[in-house]
Amino acid sequence: GDSVTQMEGPVTLSEEAFLTINCTYTATGYPSLFWYVQYPGEGLQLLLKATKADDKGSNKGFEATYRKETTSFHLEKGSVQVSDSAVYFCAREGGSQGNLIFGKGTKLSVKP
Amino acid sequence: GAVVSQHPSRVICKSGTSVKIECRSLDFQATTMFWYRQFPKQSLMLMATSNEGSKATYEQGVEKDKFLINHASLTLSTLTVTSAHPEDSSFYICSASLQGAMNEQFFGPGTRLTVL
Repeated sequence: GDSVTQMEGPVTLSEEAFLTINCTYTATGYPSLFWYVQYPGEGLQLLLKATKADDKGSNKGFEATYRKETTSFHLEKGSVQVSDSAVYFCAREGGSQGNLIFGKGTKLSVKP
Repeated sequence: GAVVSQHPSRVICKSGTSVKIECRSLDFQATTMFWYRQFPKQSLMLMATSNEGSKATYEQGVEKDKFLINHASLTLSTLTVTSAHPEDSSFYICSASLQGAMNEQFFGPGTRLTVL
């Protein structure tokens, strides 16, 4: 069935390290793809999105490119900060109601 | 940005009782609200889609008589877990879509339900 698979955490990095969180999806067609971030004690927030193949979403130094060949939408950041510590969720557009299908989330901890 | 609140943030109840969770869009009108459930180390799973003024659409496997959803206004949706049992213990998250902006969802902070 339709699903989103992202790498399991937790991921622990030192400040200024390079970050990659892998995400792949299954779907018929080309759904919009999203990365959401959840900071401690807060709700999920949209980090970035891409609505068609080869689109690159970017925000706050994070980037992800919609790759239809590999059905992937990996999240990257060149230099993470302590304030980036959070749980990151990859998601794809779901049904006709506008709901989202989520991955399990990846917890990122950045140490000073 | 658009803000969604949930109340309560945490609730503990006895088995057999009912619990109501509120989801409010604070600064915008939400034509559609979604209710998700999240088990530890699992994805958010869609439970139901709620449109203002109409009956909620439930996902397969979700009991509509157990999880009552009311979306009485453009800023409020409620989820009532009726006759709660320990297996209903979970993290419940709502989200709301802006009018005319499908796929733009704003999430509440979630409600942790523990049924003893």
